[in-house]
Amino acid sequence: EIVLTQSPGTLSLSPGERATLSCRASQSVSSSYLAWYQQKPGQAPRLLIYGASSRATGIPDRFSGSGSGTDFTLTISRLEPEDVAVYYCQQYGNSLIFTFGPGTKVDIK
Amino acid sequence: QVHLVESGGGVVQPGRSLRLSCAASGFTFRSYAMHWVRQAPGKGLEWVAVISYDGSSTYYADSVKGRFTISRDNSKNTLFLQMNSLRPEDTAVFYCARAAGLDIAAASDYWGQGTLVTVSS
Repeated sequence: EIVLTQSPGTLSLSPGERATLSCRASQSVSSSYLAWYQQKPGQAPRLLIYGASSRATGIPDRFSGSGSGTDFTLTISRLEPEDVAVYYCQQYGNSLIFTFGPGTKVDIK
Repeated sequence: QVHLVESGGGVVQPGRSLRLSCAASGFTFRSYAMHWVRQAPGKGLEWVAVISYDGSSTYYADSVKGRFTISRDNSKNTLFLQMNSLRPEDTAVFYCARAAGLDIAAASDYWGQGTLVTVSS
């Protein structure tokens, strides 16, 4: 089973700064099968990125995804107050077991 | 507009059973694979199970295999999760989520608001 590790655990940045979130897999993940989700307090998760780098419908272009193999990155180019949330990566497809990472919490300073 | 509404949660004693439902609307339900994902209080997301668009294929997390059963009724646009032999560690908010297409191996593009299951004596 693929294990996903996310870092950092918490990220505190000022509005307008760039946020870089990392997701590392214990074994290679097909880029087609890596997603990122945003979960705001008290809300259901929302799909941000699928296929490692494709933005989901309605997602602002300040969110971007990249990476391949075992290392993937979610970048928020200019942090806004409404981006305060926990961000999860997920791999899907390998043996049809869908694994989530533990999440990165993004705070505003 | 896509709408997923879970129901059936509540307080249940360890060892007992519970059946969750997810009513879908705003899309052609029979054309999409569907997931259950849970989140224990204050914890991260844990994938639970997935079912193919036609119900012919199902897959489960090891933590629930043999105890939980995912199913669907495409005539009623409803997804189910039958949970047996419940344990305190099953306490969580349970979300249903739509896979982004016919393919099971797809990200989840729409989520319900969740239903809370509490397993406690």
